[in-house]
Amino acid sequence: QKEVEQDPGPLSVPEGAIVSLNCTYSNSAFQYFMWYRQYSRKGPELLMYTYSSGNKEDGRFTAQVDKSSKYISLFIRDSQPSDSATYLCANINAGNMLTFGGGTRLMVKP
Amino acid sequence: EAEVAQSPRYKITEKSQAVAFWCDPISGHATLYWYRQILGQGPELLVQFQDESVVDDSQLPKDRFSAERLKGVDSTLKIQPAELGDSAMYLCASSLPDSWVEQFFGPGTRLTVL
Repeated sequence: QKEVEQDPGPLSVPEGAIVSLNCTYSNSAFQYFMWYRQYSRKGPELLMYTYSSGNKEDGRFTAQVDKSSKYISLFIRDSQPSDSATYLCANINAGNMLTFGGGTRLMVKP
Repeated sequence: EAEVAQSPRYKITEKSQAVAFWCDPISGHATLYWYRQILGQGPELLVQFQDESVVDDSQLPKDRFSAERLKGVDSTLKIQPAELGDSAMYLCASSLPDSWVEQFFGPGTRLTVL
């Protein structure tokens, strides 16, 4: 079992829809939870990160962590075609090493 | 805006040949990382440097891969000899010391081994 798992998608939604991207993890020692966005042929860019459980909002993006179920979510409101990318969740392990999920490919259609 | 620079962007080579990738981190970022990302998967850490010292290279296949950061600034990752399974994107990232959560990635080098 991989430490961090994501549905690879693709997830296709119409412009303006609310998008929900999800991730599960197995290591209960994880404390930091990150979401990266990766456009085709580019490196990942950090969208946001949270520490421990709870919600964090940044503009149209909301990250949610439920440590009791080891479940991480990213919500995108009013999705735009420019949001089309692969979204990677990642955690920090005890050795301060980033562990990535496989990514979910999102397509937002005009 | 400061960015991590990598070159080349694309590299095609034949198996058993040697390849090298270069990375220039954001100025002032003492921590540098090399990741490998196979198509359809997330990046996996190969090696981490703090200044010129290796902090973690437990996932680096040392029989064929080597990495150096001689002056604690730019870094080179080498593969010799390249194998078909090495085809992947090689990403470099950098961060401020003890700021491993906020890593900034370069555009990557796409390696194809024929």
